[in-house]
This record gives sequence, C-alpha cells and structure tokens, in this order.
Amino acid sequence: GAGVSQTPSNKVTEKGKYVELRCDPISGHTALYWYRQSLGQGPEFLIYFQGTGAADDSGLPNDRFFAVRPEGSVSTLKIQRTERGDSAVYLCASSARASGVSGSGETQYFGPGTRLLVL
Amino acid sequence: QKEVEQNSGPLSVPEGAIASLNCTYSDRGSQSFFWYRQYSGKSPELIMFIYSNGDKEDGRFTAQLNKASQYVSLLIRDSQPSDSATYLCAVKGDTGFQKLVFGTGTRLLVSP
Repeated sequence: GAGVSQTPSNKVTEKGKYVELRCDPISGHTALYWYRQSLGQGPEFLIYFQGTGAADDSGLPNDRFFAVRPEGSVSTLKIQRTERGDSAVYLCASSARASGVSGSGETQYFGPGTRLLVL
Repeated sequence: QKEVEQNSGPLSVPEGAIASLNCTYSDRGSQSFFWYRQYSGKSPELIMFIYSNGDKEDGRFTAQLNKASQYVSLLIRDSQPSDSATYLCAVKGDTGFQKLVFGTGTRLLVSP
C-alpha cells in the first residue's frame, strides 16, 4: 500500500502493562510524527523523527513514553506501566521532508491510528 | 488561550449551501496552515494547505488566510451530505518547529 500503516488497529491492555505501537511510513518519507487524539479533541503532538533521530520529543507526556526509529523507516511507540489516562487513538504521520521552504513536501499524511484502551 | 481555536459546532447547512469553517491561531510566527477532514472513527485526511495571505481554491474548497488577523478559514461550496465530518485546522510554526498544532475541530452536518 502507498499510505502510512499502523499496527495493531486496536489494543486492549490492563493498567500497568507495557505496549508497543508500530508505524510504517510512506516509502521515502524522511519525517515521521506521533500524535495522540482523545475523544472530542484534535490530535496532540508527541514526538517527531527526522531520519533515525528524535528531533523533537517535547510532546511526550512523561518518561513512560518512548519512541524509536532505528533504521529511519518503521517507528515504534512504547508505553510502559500503562494508565487508564493513556487510552486514546495514537496516530502516526509522515512527510517527505520536515524542514525547508514551505511546500507540499512538508504535508503530513496520517495513518489509520491505533486505538488503545487501558482497562 | 488555546493556540488554535475552532468553534466545535455542529455547523448545520443544507445540501448545496456554502459551509464556512473558521480558525484563529495565537502564534504570529506560524507559517503553514492545513485543513484536515476527519470522519467518525477515521484518521485525519488532508484537504488543503495554505501558506500565503489570500485565497487558495481547489475544486469546491477554498482556503483563506489572513496572517495580520491570525485567521484562516475553509469554505465548502455546494455542500454534500458526504461532507459531513469534523474539520480540523492545523498550524505549523517556522522551519524550526515541525509539529502541527491542531484545533479541536468543527463538526459539519450537511442535511439532504
């Protein structure tokens, strides 16, 4: 497929458990973003990768959240000791580039999301 | 004050009418502005982006940007029931800040 893919589409876990959410960006896109969306809200930025490195992780709510992108393509968002408040839809987006002159290359395309429910 | 503000709606318009969706933002350094459509249970889908003051048209959609007033809007002409969705306004800062800041979205209902 040509779009951003995310797995799993749904994840139910118990409070205190560890979860991993995966994102496969559009082929060739160097920038990758994670957002979290709660019901009735707009997506909220978590972290952004340019290549393999996390260029901005200012949106991660606390040290229970961590993300990696070891080969500059697929990314994994990891949540330790999950809490009920972590329940949300976790969205991944990618763009051809992240910086430079404004243009269509910086447009972020979203995946279908992972719906996380912490019981 | 929220960084990006939208009226949550719902905005109800009859089929064939013009729907006008508005968004204000607080960061004067914002450079890029995006409108996404989100159907219930789905992820955001890009409709348009705009960078320069003025109007930008794409089919039935027109985005309008006024940086002096820190205001961006989306007009949908000849609204269709299939346009019923939540419309998210997103703002991006200068090249040093890559994250999108979203409003809470405006729910649009187009009645047949």
